Amino acid sequence: AQSVTQPDIHITVSEGASLELRCNYSYGATPYLFWYVQSPGQGLQLLLKYFSGDTLVQGIKGFEAEFKRSQSSFNLRKPSVHWSDAAEYFCAVAGRDAGNMLTFGGGTRLMVKP
Amino acid sequence: GAGVSQSPSNKVTEKGKDVELRCDPISGHTALYWYRQSLGQGLEFLIYFQGNSAPDKSGLPSDRFSAERTGGSVSTLTIQRTQQEDSAVYLCASSWDLGQPQHFGDGTRLSIL
Repeated sequence: AQSVTQPDIHITVSEGASLELRCNYSYGATPYLFWYVQSPGQGLQLLLKYFSGDTLVQGIKGFEAEFKRSQSSFNLRKPSVHWSDAAEYFCAVAGRDAGNMLTFGGGTRLMVKP
Repeated sequence: GAGVSQSPSNKVTEKGKDVELRCDPISGHTALYWYRQSLGQGLEFLIYFQGNSAPDKSGLPSDRFSAERTGGSVSTLTIQRTQQEDSAVYLCASSWDLGQPQHFGDGTRLSIL
């Protein structure tokens, strides 16, 4: 069975500082990988995805993530955080088999200090 | 609209009542998914549809939960004889095909008194 671990439940960074959110997954092969962001009272917005090819993927809002097969990781990064980035971030995997349903990590809540 | 639409946005009901949650996917999306988000369990998969067919119902928490999709479009998730542990946000997502990125609605917040 596939699983996702986000080791950091809460992270606080100063505005303008760099950000890295960690994600580790467990899956028998290379899964599809995603990062979603959720603001309070809202649904999930897709930030970026990895299906194949280049292991460094660019997303919306200046985010990027790097797939590292050897570490089973898919960490999310942003060079300079804005106050509007405060939200909850979810890493997710989907198998390449029937259904492709998402398995989510527990989420990381990001707070941004002025 | 351009996105996934869910209704109602909030639902408060008494324990033991039946509730029906609705999802309108993005036009043309053939795959539709239901997830549940709760404090204790996080985000968990419930069921998916490819067209009108739901090949795997094993994610539904109990036989009180059922879902259907008609015309390859609108889906309803029905919870019978609601219990307090059913309180959660129910999220619907759609994608243009299986394996493609899923786009989520804003969810229905269900509260069981």
